[in-house]
Formats: sequence, C-alpha cells, structure tokens
Amino acid sequence: GDSVTQMEGPVTLSEEAFLTINCTYTATGYPSLFWYVQYPGEGLQLLLKATKADDKGSNKGFEATYRKETTSFHLEKGSVQVSDSAVYFCALSGYIPTFGRGTSLIVHP
Amino acid sequence: SAVISQKPSRDICQRGTSLTIQCQVDSQVTMMFWYRQQPGQSLTLIATANQGSEATYESGFVIDKFPISRPNLTFSTLTVSNMSPEDSSIYLCSSRRGGPSGETQYFGPGTRLLVL
Repeated sequence: GDSVTQMEGPVTLSEEAFLTINCTYTATGYPSLFWYVQYPGEGLQLLLKATKADDKGSNKGFEATYRKETTSFHLEKGSVQVSDSAVYFCALSGYIPTFGRGTSLIVHP
Repeated sequence: SAVISQKPSRDICQRGTSLTIQCQVDSQVTMMFWYRQQPGQSLTLIATANQGSEATYESGFVIDKFPISRPNLTFSTLTVSNMSPEDSSIYLCSSRRGGPSGETQYFGPGTRLLVL
C-alpha cells in the first residue's frame, strides 16, 4: 500500500538557518503530494502542494519539488523564523490520503 | 480552500460519559473524514462519512464506540462514547475539495479532549 516516510524530529534550528525536512513516499499511480503544517494548539493547514512530477509547490518561503525519480518531496526554507516552529506533515493523495508521522520543528531566536 | 469549523474546541470529561463533536463545512462535500491525533503522534483515520450512507470505519474503530452522523452535505458529528483516559486526544474533522489541480484535503481546527 501507499506510505510516506518523514525524517525523525525534533529538528532544532537557530533563526535564519536553512531548513530541510525529508519526505519520501511509495505509491501506485501518480499521486499529488502535500505538506501540511500544524501550529501549537491548532489543526492542520495546507502549506503547499504539487500535482505532478517536477512541479514545485511554494508558500510562505517554503518550497518542495515533486521528484518522481527519487520518490521524494523534501520541504525546504532558506531562512527560518521563530514563528515557523510547528509540526510538519508530508502527505500523498488517494481515496484515503496517506500522512507521514510528522516532523517537529523548533526554531530558537 | 474550505472553511471547516468544529465545536467544542476543547473539553474535559469524566470517564464513562460521552461527548459529541460537531463539524460544519462551508460548502457541500461528498466525503467527510474523522481523525484522531494522540499527543505527539500523527493522524489516525477513524472513519469516512458519506451523506446518506453508513460511515466506514477503519481497523480498530467501531460504531458503538464512535457513532457518526452525516445528516446533510455540510455537517457531521462524531460521538466518543463511554470515554476512558485513553480517549484523550485531538479529534479532527476533514473534507476534500476539488479544483483545477485536483483534490485537496482540508482540516478543521480540532477538538482537544481530556478524559479524567
């Protein structure tokens, strides 16, 4: 069946550092890929998505590129802020969407 | 994007009691989903609710414990019955909406439940 693997957290960074959160997947067909963010005390919000190979999703300075050859959808941001501290979930589409376990990001001033 | 609201946003309940969580979507949707998120964990799908039919439950979840209603295309309820401390979790309602680039899943803000 479909699956999503995310890097273990927490990821701890200083403000303005570069962020990468790795996400790889296994799926049949050609799913869409998503990153969701969950800020403390809130529900999940869609951060960005990509619907086909080589697409790049971007939002709020975050980017991820749909790499079919490596079955990856890594999340990157060039300069993180304290306000980016949250849990990030990678997901792929399907009749029942598949979510990764989530990666906690902690950004220190 | 879809706007999804949930009530209550949080509650503290005594063991043995039941709590009904309401979910309202701002437009008609075919499928609604109920998830549980235990502290520090990922999402676990409880059931899928289609209007006009019985909910479909995932392995480990049963209707007697988590009855779901879906009276129309914009509303659903999840009841957590005969609660125990193990039911302490965030419960999330979700729906899916299509667009030019395919379907995207949206989530409500969650209901934070603590069972004493």
